[in-house]
Amino acid sequence: ETGVTQTPRHLVMGMTNKKSLKCEQHLGHNAMYWYKQSAKKPLELMFVYSLEERVENNSVPSRFSPECPNSSHLFLHLHTLQPEDSALYLCASSQEAGFFYEQYFGPGTRLTVT
Amino acid sequence: GDSVTQMEGPVTLSEEACLTINCTYTATGYPSLFWYVQYPGEGLQLLLKATKADDKGSNKGFEATYRKETTSFHLEKGSVQVSDSAVYFCALSEGGSNYKLTFGKGTLLTVNP
Repeated sequence: ETGVTQTPRHLVMGMTNKKSLKCEQHLGHNAMYWYKQSAKKPLELMFVYSLEERVENNSVPSRFSPECPNSSHLFLHLHTLQPEDSALYLCASSQEAGFFYEQYFGPGTRLTVT
Repeated sequence: GDSVTQMEGPVTLSEEACLTINCTYTATGYPSLFWYVQYPGEGLQLLLKATKADDKGSNKGFEATYRKETTSFHLEKGSVQVSDSAVYFCALSEGGSNYKLTFGKGTLLTVNP
């Protein structure tokens, strides 16, 4: 148990659906991250938030829309996804944004797009 | 750009065997280096790190030494246990205000009793 929870743990959605992934951290951290973990590919950083402000967006398609209403919660809104978006989506948090601070990861949401 | 290359898995060992997982990197500056571990059904956890050349990171019997001359950060353990079965990721981050961790593809380790 790392103090970072993600819901749902598994999600199956069609390409025309709209769904949201939720991440919550109970560590009092100021930075939160979304990563994508695809089979046989390195973990990819998608978004970084510091004090509820987005500070990094790694050329992610607009069908992924993040939201950080406060420093404890992070959402990833999904719409009109493609089958290649099927992956494990990991949320992480750290005391502050930046490599010096250890990132704590949640267990992930396994997303399948049909 | 930055990149991390780690040995292809899966790696299967018997309990008490020695483990080495190779990791080499490409970076423009002087990165910090990390090993993360992902146990089945869980998120990644930081296992150890080294922030400058010749530093040795260690945790839970695992060790890795930051070798600038060979751009390597190999993970080693002298005697593995069944509970070490997991996926291991090597990663780097450049200095300054860079938020990004660049990961390798991961190596699956299975330890049999």
